[in-house]
Amino acid sequence: TQLLEQSPQFLSIQEGENLTVYCNSSSVFSSLQWYRQEPGEGPVLLVTVVTGGEVKKLKRLTFQFGDARKDSSLHITAAQPGDTGLYLCAGAEGQNFVFGPGTRLSVLP
Amino acid sequence: DVKVTQSSRYLVKRTGEKVFLECVQDMDHENMFWYRQDPGLGLRLIYFSYDVKMKEKGDIPEGYSVSREKKERFSLILESASTNQTSMYLCASSLWGGAGNTIYFGEGSWLTVV
Repeated sequence: TQLLEQSPQFLSIQEGENLTVYCNSSSVFSSLQWYRQEPGEGPVLLVTVVTGGEVKKLKRLTFQFGDARKDSSLHITAAQPGDTGLYLCAGAEGQNFVFGPGTRLSVLP
Repeated sequence: DVKVTQSSRYLVKRTGEKVFLECVQDMDHENMFWYRQDPGLGLRLIYFSYDVKMKEKGDIPEGYSVSREKKERFSLILESASTNQTSMYLCASSLWGGAGNTIYFGEGSWLTVV
């Protein structure tokens, strides 16, 4: 079973700052997803990346899939309090999925 | 948009009760999953199903069973609820493999066993 690591585990920043969180594995995934989860809710899909080196943008969020499809990053520009939540990455492994432990982000006004 | 609906958001049950958690997806996905999520333990797979009437054990199946009588519906059953099954339960679905395979989650069901 492949494992996914996420860093940092916790991040607390001021509104307006930029940040990057990471998702790393020693193995290759066919695709990788990022989710944001708010307290008491299910994870909400932000993006799926498939191709090595792929970059996708979603407003102030930029997602990159590593060239070797083993790692990914999520960069948030000018963070806002509404970005607060648990950010999870997931890698597709055949018909199943491997999840990272998440990065808990807190954006203070 | 993909929609995964969990019928009960919040439940409180007594120890020993039989509990049913229902999940329906509207995108004709072949694969359906049940996870539980606990602080510090992340998402753990309980059971999954690749097809109607088919089920496979995940990482923590003990104390649970599942039913998939129709493609769109996947039910999680706690035969005799115990306090250590107090948790957030997440249902999810995905298409059958392929590039860009993505898993979609429901809103979650908070179960408290007293």
